[in-house]
Amino acid sequence: SQQGEEDPQALSIQEGENATMNCSYKTSINNLQWYRQNSGRGLVHLILIRSNEREKHSGRLRVTLDTSKKSSSLLITASRAADTASYFCATVPWGAQKLVFGQGTRLTINP
Amino acid sequence: GAGVSQSPSNKVTEKGKDVELRCDPISGHTALYWYRQSLGQGLEFLIYFQGNSAPDKSGLPSDRFSAERTGGSVSTLTIQRTQQEDSAVYLCASSPTGGLYNEQFFGPGTRLTVL
Repeated sequence: SQQGEEDPQALSIQEGENATMNCSYKTSINNLQWYRQNSGRGLVHLILIRSNEREKHSGRLRVTLDTSKKSSSLLITASRAADTASYFCATVPWGAQKLVFGQGTRLTINP
Repeated sequence: GAGVSQSPSNKVTEKGKDVELRCDPISGHTALYWYRQSLGQGLEFLIYFQGNSAPDKSGLPSDRFSAERTGGSVSTLTIQRTQQEDSAVYLCASSPTGGLYNEQFFGPGTRLTVL
């Protein structure tokens, strides 16, 4: 079963704008990861944030984590057409060695 | 180096037939995972292998599903007596040690269609 809920389900913005996607989860976690998927196939890891971290940056990506609200956000700044993809948050629950995925946000960057 | 590879990339089968899906993880990765992605259920964990430890089979949806990993490398996911609800993309992933903080490297998936 899916633990995460992502919001919005779909997002369409102009190239150069920032894109923000949100993720909520239900149980205690060890860490939360964001993945990107192009064309409905393999996923690519973007960034990992541990449960004791609040914010993390990687290039144009910024991830926040609020464990009290059981939520995370992914910000992509200065978006590019190549950022068009589906983005999934995935949690690693305490005591588990697996990823529990959200439903994903479909991001479209319009040139 | 080579990434995770999966074969076949597409598989069409008739209801009731058995299918085998193969995953070749990244060389040296000790942890291997199978996931399934379908429209109705999203991305679901199926099974996890770590070294010589007993696999975590908690995500397998029924006893028609089984998987093995030979020699700590290649893995095969077998679905017996396939049903239409088994239609999905089956994704394999590997990670260096299976630690909690390791990212997982995904293969391109096998798209299974059960007619």
